[in-house]
Amino acid sequence: AQSVTQLGSHVSVSEGALVLLRCNYSSSVPPYLFWYVQYPNQGLQLLLKYTTGATLVKGINGFEAEFKKSETSFHLTKPSAHMSDAAEYFCAVSETNFGNEKLTFGTGTRLTIIP
Amino acid sequence: GAGVSQSPSNKVTEKGKDVELRCDPISGHTALYWYRQSLGQGLEFLIYFQGNSAPDKSGLPSDRFSAERTGGSVSTLTIQRTQQEDSAVYLCASSLSTGGHGYTFGSGTRLTVV
Repeated sequence: AQSVTQLGSHVSVSEGALVLLRCNYSSSVPPYLFWYVQYPNQGLQLLLKYTTGATLVKGINGFEAEFKKSETSFHLTKPSAHMSDAAEYFCAVSETNFGNEKLTFGTGTRLTIIP
Repeated sequence: GAGVSQSPSNKVTEKGKDVELRCDPISGHTALYWYRQSLGQGLEFLIYFQGNSAPDKSGLPSDRFSAERTGGSVSTLTIQRTQQEDSAVYLCASSLSTGGHGYTFGSGTRLTVV
């Protein structure tokens, strides 16, 4: 069975500082990996995804993540935090099974930006 | 439509009543998923549709929960005899069938059982 661990349920960074949100996964097959962001009272929005190929993936809003198979990690980073980045972030893994790409989510990390 | 539409956005119901939650996916998206988001359990998978068929219902928590999809489009999640533990945000998502495209989520229905 697949699982996702997000270290740190709350992370605070100063505006302009590096954002690093950690995600480790377990999967019995090569996974698809995703980061989603959720703003208050909204659904989840896809930030970026890894399926195959280049292990460093770039997403929207200046975020990127690197798939490291040896570490079973998919950490999310952004060089310089903006106030608008304050939200909850979810890492997720999918093991495709005949078209069923259901996701297993981590418990989420709430990102606070300090002015 | 341009996005995934869910209705109602908020629903308050009395314990024991039945509720229906609606999801209108993006046109052309053959895969449709329902998830539940609650404080205690996080984001949980409920059911997966491919077209009108539901090959994976493994996440439905009890036989009080059912879902259907018609015309390869609109889906309805029905909860019978609601309980307080059913209070949560119910999220619908749709995607192209395969290839790791990721989902487009709706804004959810916040269900409160009183």
